Amino acid sequence: AQTVTQSQPEMSVQEAETVTLSCTYDTSESDYYLFWYKQPPSRQMILVIRQEAYKQQNATENRFSVNFQKAAKSFSLKISDSQLGDAAMYFCAYRSDWDDKIIFGKGTRLHILP
Amino acid sequence: GAVVSQHPSWVICKSGTSVKIECRSLDFQATTMFWYRQFPKQSLMLMATSNEGSKATYEQGVEKDKFLINHASLTLSTLTVTSAHPEDSSFYICSATIGETQYFGPGTRLLVL
Repeated sequence: AQTVTQSQPEMSVQEAETVTLSCTYDTSESDYYLFWYKQPPSRQMILVIRQEAYKQQNATENRFSVNFQKAAKSFSLKISDSQLGDAAMYFCAYRSDWDDKIIFGKGTRLHILP
Repeated sequence: GAVVSQHPSWVICKSGTSVKIECRSLDFQATTMFWYRQFPKQSLMLMATSNEGSKATYEQGVEKDKFLINHASLTLSTLTVTSAHPEDSSFYICSATIGETQYFGPGTRLLVL
């Protein structure tokens, strides 16, 4: 069975600095999708970024980028120029190519220090 | 695009009553919707997969007679918590799928007294 591991329960970063959130996953499949979702205090789940496993190029969305290492089964999220509004719980998630279900990690709570 | 709404956002009810939560995809059609439950400071726990026009598929350990799911149209799925008890108090979130991506509703906070 697939698993998603986020080894950092909490992290803090100074405003305007860069932070990297770690995520590893375990799967025997070759085709799948990976996601980072953000859950701010409002508890609304927001899609941050998405990566298709067949794409070698790392996904980027403005200040958010990923480092996707397929062989190492690693999918880290880098947030550049951190802003106060980035404070949230971040969930790494995995979706198989053949199943609609998403498997979530336990989350990393990110604090932004002014 | 990809907006999912939930109603109500907050509900308080007495023990023994039933509560219905609606999940709507506002600007797209969703043949598949998902229902999650989230306890404080924890990740999302998938309860069931809701398929338009067919019975929902429940995850192991989720009581299907307790949590009734109906996906009557391509834009609406409902979750009914029947005979609610205090242990059913939680945050319930739905999602709908476009392609490989799930988009989430804002959630419903249920408090059973």
